[in-house]
Amino acid sequence: AQKITQTQPGMFVQEKEAVTLDCTYDTSDQSYGLFWYKQPSSGEMIFLIYQGSYDEQNATEGRYSLNFQKARKSANLVISASQLGDSAMYFCAMRGGRVYRGSQGNLIFGKGTKLSVKP
Amino acid sequence: SAVISQKPSRDICQRGTSLTIQCQVDSQVTMMFWYRQQPGQSLTLIATANQGSEATYESGFVIDKFPISRPNLTFSTLTVSNMSPEDSSIYLCSATPRSGGSSYNEQFFGPGTRLTVL
Repeated sequence: AQKITQTQPGMFVQEKEAVTLDCTYDTSDQSYGLFWYKQPSSGEMIFLIYQGSYDEQNATEGRYSLNFQKARKSANLVISASQLGDSAMYFCAMRGGRVYRGSQGNLIFGKGTKLSVKP
Repeated sequence: SAVISQKPSRDICQRGTSLTIQCQVDSQVTMMFWYRQQPGQSLTLIATANQGSEATYESGFVIDKFPISRPNLTFSTLTVSNMSPEDSSIYLCSATPRSGGSSYNEQFFGPGTRLTVL
């Protein structure tokens, strides 16, 4: 069975500092994708970054980067130069290999980490 | 990317009634999904909305309680039937864009429908 684990229910970071949000996953599939989403208090899910299991380089999108360690099955999100607007829930998610076999490709989510940025 | 809209954005309903949530995508998509997010919880998949056929439900969710329609490649509805306070949640529509190659590095969400059942 596939599973996403986020062990940090809440995190605090000082404005302008970097922060790492942890995510580990469990899957027996060789092909899979890892996603990070931000959910502010408004409830919308904002896509941040994606990492494919065969991608050799760590994904980066602006201030977001994904520290992908395949052997350890971890996909940590790094946010550089934190801003007050980064305060939100952050969810790690995985799309399993079923989609690569032509089946349904829904996302499996972790429990999330609540990030609070302090001024 | 795909832009997804949902209606209504929020509603307060009485126990025993039903609410239909609409999801509209601005482009044709391959897969559409409905998720539920209970207060303080993560997202749980309710079902996959299949175009032209019945939806595929996850364990713990049944068609009688959550009927879904998907008449075309850009639109879907989710009905929450015979509501109880336990149905108070955010309901999110999601879609994977349609493309000739692999588009599985993208999945977008609507803004959600915040439902409160009294």
